[in-house]
Amino acid sequence: NAGVTQTPKFQVLKTGQSMTLQCAQDMNHNSMYWYRQDPGMGLRLIYYSASEGTTDKGEVPNGYNVSRLNKREFSLRLESAAPSQTSVYFCASRAAGNSPLHFGNGTRLTVT
Amino acid sequence: DQQVKQNSPSLSVQEGRISILNCDYTNSMFDYFLWYKKYPAEGPTFLISISSIKDKNEDGRFTVFLNKSAKHLSLHIVPSQPGDSAVYFCATNTGNQFYFGTGTSLTVIP
Repeated sequence: NAGVTQTPKFQVLKTGQSMTLQCAQDMNHNSMYWYRQDPGMGLRLIYYSASEGTTDKGEVPNGYNVSRLNKREFSLRLESAAPSQTSVYFCASRAAGNSPLHFGNGTRLTVT
Repeated sequence: DQQVKQNSPSLSVQEGRISILNCDYTNSMFDYFLWYKKYPAEGPTFLISISSIKDKNEDGRFTVFLNKSAKHLSLHIVPSQPGDSAVYFCATNTGNQFYFGTGTSLTVIP
């Protein structure tokens, strides 16, 4: 029972490089989310997808794009990485209604 | 503006005693509240939740209290165990968006 799987676990980029963070869930959840966690800032929502085929901006979407590839997969793309995007990125999913988010184990990204 | 605030960055408690973690929120329209536990190098794990129609929810050693008039949420852990040492986040949601506090690092001293 894998739950939410994120790849890669670690990544180092140079300023200006691009990359895609991958996320997949096997719980048949409709909604998927991308958060970033920074010291003293808690978890901040980047983008979410309430259902397959829809995506919406969260609190801190600038510099990111997302794709809901199918019901299982939700990717986060950095087109031109900046040092301010150094963070730990968490993907989450949830079922419908009043239900909790289920998180992956995160991707630790460093941009130099 | 922070929708959910955890004003204590850290808390230390003796093993066997009660741990009380606190959280305040700003919007009276929030109707679902959650607590998450996070160990280093892992994702947050859901612990317990409460809807706004209740004022208390228990699950084993964990109890969440909701005071809607004060817009205040608390998590009680009794008795505290060393394995409870982690960062605890409170969260709330409206519609599809969840808002998280900045976390409280709990240390349970054996």
